[in-house]
Amino acid sequence: GIQVEQSPPDLILQEGANSTLRCNFSDSVNNLQWFHQNPWGQLINLFYIPSGTKQNGRLSATTVATERYSLLYISSSQTTDSGVYFCAVESTGNQFYFGTGTSLTVIP
Amino acid sequence: GAGVSQSPRYKVTKRGQDVALRCDPISGHVSLYWYRQALGQGPEFLTYFNYEAQQDKSGLPNDRFSAERPEGSISTLTIQRTEQRDSAMYRCASSRRENNEKLFFGSGTQLSVL
Repeated sequence: GIQVEQSPPDLILQEGANSTLRCNFSDSVNNLQWFHQNPWGQLINLFYIPSGTKQNGRLSATTVATERYSLLYISSSQTTDSGVYFCAVESTGNQFYFGTGTSLTVIP
Repeated sequence: GAGVSQSPRYKVTKRGQDVALRCDPISGHVSLYWYRQALGQGPEFLTYFNYEAQQDKSGLPNDRFSAERPEGSISTLTIQRTEQRDSAMYRCASSRRENNEKLFFGSGTQLSVL
């Protein structure tokens, strides 16, 4: 199946700082989504973004499908942004493949 | 319902017992997915349905695992003769349409096999 690599694996930020999370994938994709797993284990869909750029408040995401990567930007981070961020891609066969995630800790 | 609902939230069972995990998707959602997530890992695909039809079960680890969605709404994932290696978070997700719309996940069932 398609390989999904996320970087960095861990990130610690001071509240108010900005960050960029990266997702690389090994094949062309039909679908790409970013998720946030909060400290309570809930998995929340942030973006459905197979290509292009989207923004939602302090978060934005860009997918460059031809170069097989996606970026998630977090601006003015808050403690509630802490958790694990997953990228998930679908190539063929309707299966989503998840990366191993980026664990983000925002310190007050 | 307003969101994807899974039950039970926690399940502790003894090795060799059968367990049934339930998923109630968002009302009207066509597609339903089952994933398994080990600690520190991303979710791993198990199987998915469009309406009542199981479209892909290639991710089910072995024949002890099965899933059904008989009326195209609620789904049950059954694990027979559980083993310790089956311990994990089992997550269900649904999407509004076929062909991978935005996925919405439930809170999961944490399964512990003793």
